[in-house]
Order: sequence, then C-alpha cells, then structure tokens
Amino acid sequence: QSVLTQPPSVSAAPEQKVTISCSGSSSNIGNNYVSWYQQLPGTAPKLLIYDNNKRPSGIPDRFSASKSGTSATLGITGLQTGDEADYYCETWDSSLSAVVFGGGTKLTVL
Amino acid sequence: QLQLQESGPGLVKPSETLSLMCTISGGSVISSGYYWGWVRQPPGKGLEWIGSIYYTGTTYYSPSLESRLTIFVDTSRNHFSLNLKSVTAADTAVYYCARWLNSYGHTNFDTWGLGILVTVSS
Repeated sequence: QSVLTQPPSVSAAPEQKVTISCSGSSSNIGNNYVSWYQQLPGTAPKLLIYDNNKRPSGIPDRFSASKSGTSATLGITGLQTGDEADYYCETWDSSLSAVVFGGGTKLTVL
Repeated sequence: QLQLQESGPGLVKPSETLSLMCTISGGSVISSGYYWGWVRQPPGKGLEWIGSIYYTGTTYYSPSLESRLTIFVDTSRNHFSLNLKSVTAADTAVYYCARWLNSYGHTNFDTWGLGILVTVSS
C-alpha cells in the first residue's frame, strides 16, 4: 500500500490529452515538492518533472504538472505511442522521514 | 556526463547479505547538495526507496528496511554501496542507484543507473 495514491492505469487516443493524479497528505505532498518519473518498458525511471512543475532540460513541454493542497497532477498533451510507460509521483514525507513514491500509473495510448 | 553503474551478484541465498556497489563516472561522489541513493523495484511492481547517503556519511534509510540496511560511501574510489542483510524472497528486485537532490522539501532523483536484477533464492 503506497503512501501516495495513483490510479493503476489510464488510457487515451493518440494526439489526445491525459492526466494522472497523485494523492497524498499534509506530511508529504502538502508540505513538500513533488517529482514525476517516466519508466518506459524495460528501462530505468527518468525524471520528468521536479519541484511540482519544472521540466529538466530535454523534456518536451507536452509534459506539465501542478500541485494543489495534498494532490498533484501530471498532464500529457499530444499523446504519442512512445509515451506508453509507467508514471510515478514522488516526494518527501516529513512524518516518515522518508522518500515516498506513488504506486505508479500505466499509460496506454490506444 | 554523469553516469551510474550498479554491480554485484545477481543471485543471493535466503538469510545471506545482499551487497551492491554503484560506481560513479563523469562526476564526483563529493557533490555539494547531492546525495546518492538506492531504489528498488520488485518484478511487476512499483518503485521503493531504500535509502540515501551524503558524501560526509550522513544517511537516510527507509523505516521498513533500516534494521537490515547499511549504506556507505568511498570517496577515494568514487562509489557508494549497499548491504542488506538477512534477505528473503521479498527482497528480489531490480536495484537502481541514483543521484538524489534533497534540500528543504525539494527532492528528486535526477540521474539513474541502468539497474541490476537481484534474485533471492536457494
């Protein structure tokens, strides 16, 4: 059971938009910054978003994110088949003194 | 360009100690503001943080693994390592090392190794 809750799966058609939610509490998302990772099949995770809504160099602006209260959301526009992957949210939990990950969301581009 | 590479045995017997090393190239383990961490992923499951270390030796451990875990750093050889004792089948996973930024609520793993599969089995 993950501290951060994500939907197990989402799907959408190519060129459409999808959002992935990440729900937590005041001890984690509510008072710390959120990062998002993309894990393509058979590969290591890759940092997609950091500090709630910042993109590392090389990440296209089709990927965006936001945070409100104890929840965060990742958005992907202009979906491509190459976006099919597992997506994870992550933050620090001040009560646990631990890094916490969401359970992951599998994105299918139909 | 910073690169991380995990190494160690791919098979460990139950009750024994799992030992892995992460070698850093293209950068230094002595990096102000950056920690070095371990994350694992059981087959078909999600990511689990194991623990992290700063070059000074300051560590953060997952509460669920702390009693069995030691992470240490060798600044002279530019690597850091993980020992997890008394392993069971539940410790079977792909183990990743990664660079971790941890500062006043800001946290992210910005560079990852390719990962190494460790199976616990007799």
